[in-house]
Amino acid sequence: SQTIHQWPATLVQPVGSPLSLECTVEGTSNPNLYWYRQAAGRGLQLLFYSVGIGQISSEVPQNLSASRPQDRQFILSSKKLLLSDSGFYLCAWNLGQDGQPQHFGDGTRLSIL
Amino acid sequence: SQQGEEDPQALSIQEGENATMNCSYKTSINNLQWYRQNSGRGLVHLILIRSNEREKHSGRLRVTLDTSKKSSSLLITASRAADTASYFCATARWGSQGNLIFGKGTKLSVKP
Repeated sequence: SQTIHQWPATLVQPVGSPLSLECTVEGTSNPNLYWYRQAAGRGLQLLFYSVGIGQISSEVPQNLSASRPQDRQFILSSKKLLLSDSGFYLCAWNLGQDGQPQHFGDGTRLSIL
Repeated sequence: SQQGEEDPQALSIQEGENATMNCSYKTSINNLQWYRQNSGRGLVHLILIRSNEREKHSGRLRVTLDTSKKSSSLLITASRAADTASYFCATARWGSQGNLIFGKGTKLSVKP
């Protein structure tokens, strides 16, 4: 069966520090991978998605970047965090065909001080 | 951009009652999906309804889709305290290759 792992679960970082959040998927090949951000009590904002190794699409301009160095690994990064980067970050995967549900990790709660 | 809009934003009911949540969207879709999110956790897929379907059931869940009105509803029958969570609709456009657009969610509280 397929599983998705996301870490760390919580992170407290000072403004201006770098960021690296990692997501890995097991039990499937060539998944679509997604990074979302969720503000407190709000819906999901799609940040990045990837249909294959090295292929990244960005949905909104921001202080973040994403990379996919391996088929089942998706990394969210920042060189210098801003206060506005605080939030709940979710990674998800699916098989990339119309009508496929997405499967989510348990998220990373990021607080910027 | 968010296409789905859930209504109401928050709903509080007693255990045993039915809970109905609505979702409206703006453009033509391939399918509509409902997800559940427990506090501080990731989303869990509940049910998917395709654009050529009008109603679908899964256990205590009933989903309807009206493409002419661009709306969907999720009914949870005989609710339990464990159903307390946020519920999101998500739409998939034709040719979206797996991408979904999520609404802002309905926060359901079921009191024992």
